[in-house]
Amino acid sequence: EPEVTQTPSHQVTQMGQEVILRCVPISNHLYFYWYRQILGQKVEFLVSFYNNEISEKSEIFDDQFSVERPDGSNFTLKIRSTKLEDSAMYFCASRKGTGGRSSYNSPLHFGNGTRLTVT
Amino acid sequence: QKEVEQDPGPLSVPEGAIVSLNCTYSNSAFQYFMWYRQYSRKGPELLMYTYSSGNKEDGRFTAQVDKSSKYISLFIRDSQPSDSATYLCAMSPLILTGGGNKLTFGTGTQLKVEL
Repeated sequence: EPEVTQTPSHQVTQMGQEVILRCVPISNHLYFYWYRQILGQKVEFLVSFYNNEISEKSEIFDDQFSVERPDGSNFTLKIRSTKLEDSAMYFCASRKGTGGRSSYNSPLHFGNGTRLTVT
Repeated sequence: QKEVEQDPGPLSVPEGAIVSLNCTYSNSAFQYFMWYRQYSRKGPELLMYTYSSGNKEDGRFTAQVDKSSKYISLFIRDSQPSDSATYLCAMSPLILTGGGNKLTFGTGTQLKVEL
């Protein structure tokens, strides 16, 4: 069964450094997402991306964050200057949709996440 | 009041038991409901989704939605040790334009099925 893949599985970085988290969504999916889960807390929405632009973002997704789909397969999350409180699991998700009324019926499929540790 | 409330557990049951997991929500805009299973250090794995009130069955799993009470449930029949995981409810408004489907998650219920 096709799956969302994320790399690396674990990233350790120093405060103030830039990190890029990478995701390969399921190939026929059109909508892409980043969520995060701080240890012991619930999964939180960061951003959604469709048709090469951000469609919605949360208040967490400030100017330090950016997303990009640089080619036909990868979807990246960049954190420009990491802070200690950015330490979390970051999950990429995707869903299919062909537009029209059916586009909101498809559920999200998640990757296994990247554990980001900021020291 | 939190948008989505879920008892964190832990919930411990013997093998073969029927498990009932529940979430309540306050936002009446939520129309689309999902249950995910999350094993330790893994991503959420979709179990079931529905946007109708009533029951939806898939194998040993039954999802139940009561929109009038803003209450959803997941029942697991004949529970197995391999069902031991954290179960997350998630929900969103129905979005008629592309790009939506922002999910709001519960905190998750930790389930342990013992031999």
